[in-house]
Amino acid sequence: DTAVSQTPKYLVTQMGNDKSIKCEQNLGHDTMYWYKQDSKKFLKIMFSYNNKELIINETVPNRFSPKSPDKAHLNLHINSLELGDSAVYFCASSQLDRPNGYTFGSGTRLTVV
Amino acid sequence: DAKTTQPPSMDCAEGRAANLPCNHSTISGNEYVYWYRQIHSQGPQYIIHGLKNNETNEMASLIITEDRKSSTLILPHATLRDTAVYYCIVTGNTGGFKTIFGAGTRLFVKA
Repeated sequence: DTAVSQTPKYLVTQMGNDKSIKCEQNLGHDTMYWYKQDSKKFLKIMFSYNNKELIINETVPNRFSPKSPDKAHLNLHINSLELGDSAVYFCASSQLDRPNGYTFGSGTRLTVV
Repeated sequence: DAKTTQPPSMDCAEGRAANLPCNHSTISGNEYVYWYRQIHSQGPQYIIHGLKNNETNEMASLIITEDRKSSTLILPHATLRDTAVYYCIVTGNTGGFKTIFGAGTRLFVKA
């Protein structure tokens, strides 16, 4: 019973392609997030989303867009992939009114060639 | 930018206590201290959090100084599986967008 699941685990694609990464949480949390971990291992938040508010890190290119069909899912869509998009992307969730921390998925390793 | 300062790396002998320090001198009154760890390239794992009082759970203990400007995560009996990067994070109780991960401390547990 994986709490936060991401698919695919690995994704290799060519420059210029459009791809999506899916994330689902079964914890009943009200907020979901996308983080990017680059080759230097820094974790940087990209998006925070609940049913009331989408917060976008201003450094994230608009080629990246989160899509949430319902509160248990937050997918990440990336247009016109570039070499610099290669990284590990982590989905996470939390319940805003309970400070019990985040639950992270196992990550999606994206390689753009 | 992360609001915490941690040593880049530490060693610990297997079976001994691992004490990981964190400085957060700019912490404000409503901010919690959270600790996470990341083993190899897995997703970060929540360990423990606290506001003012010391906390203990099945994984670790968290000691927060009285002025709340620093804290220490204690793994009482480190095992090889505890080798990981440990992140100390300061954030409001709503977490969210202000949860910023720094470089963390890479803990090596040696046999």
